[in-house]
Amino acid sequence: AQSVSQHNHHVILSEAASLELGCNYSYGGTVNLFWYVQYPGQHLQLLLKYFSGDPLVKGIKGFEAEFIKSKFSFNLRKPSVQWSDTAEYFCAVNAPTGNQFYFGTGTSLTVIP
Amino acid sequence: ETGVTQSPTHLIKTRGQQVTLRCSSQSGHNTVSWYQQALGQGPQFIFQYYREEENGRGNFPPRFSGLQFPNYSSELNVNALELDDSALYLCASSGGRSGGASWASTDTQYFGPGTRLTVL
Repeated sequence: AQSVSQHNHHVILSEAASLELGCNYSYGGTVNLFWYVQYPGQHLQLLLKYFSGDPLVKGIKGFEAEFIKSKFSFNLRKPSVQWSDTAEYFCAVNAPTGNQFYFGTGTSLTVIP
Repeated sequence: ETGVTQSPTHLIKTRGQQVTLRCSSQSGHNTVSWYQQALGQGPQFIFQYYREEENGRGNFPPRFSGLQFPNYSSELNVNALELDDSALYLCASSGGRSGGASWASTDTQYFGPGTRLTVL
């Protein structure tokens, strides 16, 4: 079975600091990779996804993620965070041949003004 | 807002009872997935329905069952409730493909607000 690990459970940053959230998955085959975000009081929504092509993927609100196949990683980055980025971030994986999604446990990001 | 709605918002049941949760998909979507999110955890995939048929299932017992209707709305039924079933239940809709092709694993899922179930 696939699994997804998010190593940072809670991250606290000051505004303008750079962000990198780790995501590693365990699956030997081809995967689709996603980052979802949940802002306080809102629904889960897609930040970005990767399924083929350029391993550096750009998403909404200035976020990007890099797929490194050899490391089974899909880390999320943002050069300069804002207070409005305070949210819960989830990494998710599925295999193109399967109809199951696997989410990580999430990383809570708090940005201090 | 995603256009995906769920009802009820909150629900309290006792152990052994049965519960039905409902989800209305975003317009144009024909695929619905259900997830269980326990406190402090990520969503756990329960199952997915595409055009009224179960199209994938996670590691949940048969007492978790579902339905999808011709209008693509969906129900999640849980029988013989246990204390560990207390969680936030999320549904997500996505656009399937026309014809006989299955759901595309790269489709974006649009999540609803969830139903908070408490089992006492």
